[in-house]
Amino acid sequence: EAGVTQFPSHSVIEKGQTVTLRCDPISGHDNLYWYRRVMGKEIKFLLHFVKESKQDESGMPNNRFLAERTGGTYSTLKVQPAELEDSGVYFCASSLGARQYQETQYFGPGTRLLVL
Amino acid sequence: GESVGLHLPTLSVQEGDNSIINCAYSNSASDYFIWYKQESGKGPQFIIDIRSNMDKRQGQRVTVLLNKTVKHLSLQIAATQPGDSAVYFCAESLTGNQFYFGTGTSLTVIP
Repeated sequence: EAGVTQFPSHSVIEKGQTVTLRCDPISGHDNLYWYRRVMGKEIKFLLHFVKESKQDESGMPNNRFLAERTGGTYSTLKVQPAELEDSGVYFCASSLGARQYQETQYFGPGTRLLVL
Repeated sequence: GESVGLHLPTLSVQEGDNSIINCAYSNSASDYFIWYKQESGKGPQFIIDIRSNMDKRQGQRVTVLLNKTVKHLSLQIAATQPGDSAVYFCAESLTGNQFYFGTGTSLTVIP
């Protein structure tokens, strides 16, 4: 079974440009999460989808970030316009969603974003 | 946000020794905890979890201990191997699904 995949693995852009990150969760997983790790700091929650609906987006830093999950399968996270402080590793994770309580989240390899 | 932190940012151990990685959490309401291992160039990989109604859970070569009194979590790795070298994160869950992570501890195994 394929794990969570993310594309691209690396992205280097200039300040002011737009970047779109993609995440393909494990097939059949209803829950999809985006996290970000800024250099040397903790992994921080960004948002959580249940199927195509945003369950919790309290971690989104500002309105330059837009996440979508049309059709409840893969998700995209767009940063527009990118700022220097957006640099970091963006992780996607998914979980099955079949249970009421917490479930293990399976992480993708991350997208390393560098804004110059 | 909630504070989840690790006591030591780096840890070096001799191959074959046991490793102990510690984590403190601040919210006594947290009821689910996970340890993740992250190798270079990869995403965090689930190691072991524990719910707040337990104080110890064992896996293969790993044991997680939860002390709710002092809000402390630890990961013990028995007979540490070179392949255990990685960054280890603890994470706590406050709600049904949102996790809060610590900054990570880098474990280096010396052959």
